[in-house]
Amino acid sequence: AQSVSQHNHHVILSEAASLELGCNYSYGGTVNLFWYVQYPGQHLQLLLKYFSGDPLVKGIKGFEAEFIKSKFSFNLRKPSVQWSDTAEYFCAVSKGTNAGKSTFGDGTTLTVKP
Amino acid sequence: DTGVSQDPRHKITKRGQNVTFRCDPISEHNRLYWYRQTLGQGPEFLTYFQNEAQLEKSRLLSDRFSAERPKGSFSTLEIQRTEQGDSAMYLCASSLGGRAADTQYFGPGTRLTVL
Repeated sequence: AQSVSQHNHHVILSEAASLELGCNYSYGGTVNLFWYVQYPGQHLQLLLKYFSGDPLVKGIKGFEAEFIKSKFSFNLRKPSVQWSDTAEYFCAVSKGTNAGKSTFGDGTTLTVKP
Repeated sequence: DTGVSQDPRHKITKRGQNVTFRCDPISEHNRLYWYRQTLGQGPEFLTYFQNEAQLEKSRLLSDRFSAERPKGSFSTLEIQRTEQGDSAMYLCASSLGGRAADTQYFGPGTRLTVL
């Protein structure tokens, strides 16, 4: 069964610091990769996704992620975080060309200090 | 608001009671998913539908859980004889389906507390 691992459970940064959140998955076939964000009191929202093509994917609010197939990784980055980026971030994977269920990591809580 | 909606948002019940949750997907979406999320963990897949057909069900889902999507629109998730371990956030998501770039849109969830 596929699994998703997010290495950092809680990250604390100051505003303007750079962010990188790690995500590794275990499935060896064709995958679709997602990062979701959950702001306090809100529901899950899609930040960005990769399904094919350019492995560097840009999403909303200045986030980007890079798919490195050889490392089974899909790390999320942002060059300069803001206080409003405080949230929980989830990496997710679905497999195949007819994507069905997603398997999620356990999330990383990001706290940005003003 | 034309997003995914769920009802109720909160449910408190006593152990042994039955509960039913409803999900209304985005109107043109063919696929509907149910997930469960407990504190400190990511959403865990329960089941999903393509129109009214239930295509996959997690092995983690006991016989006490049943889901339906009778007309291919809204869906219900029923838990019979609830246990304290069923306490969680139950999330519904919907998507267009049928392609690799399929994106799931999540509802606000129903938080279940079993006393």
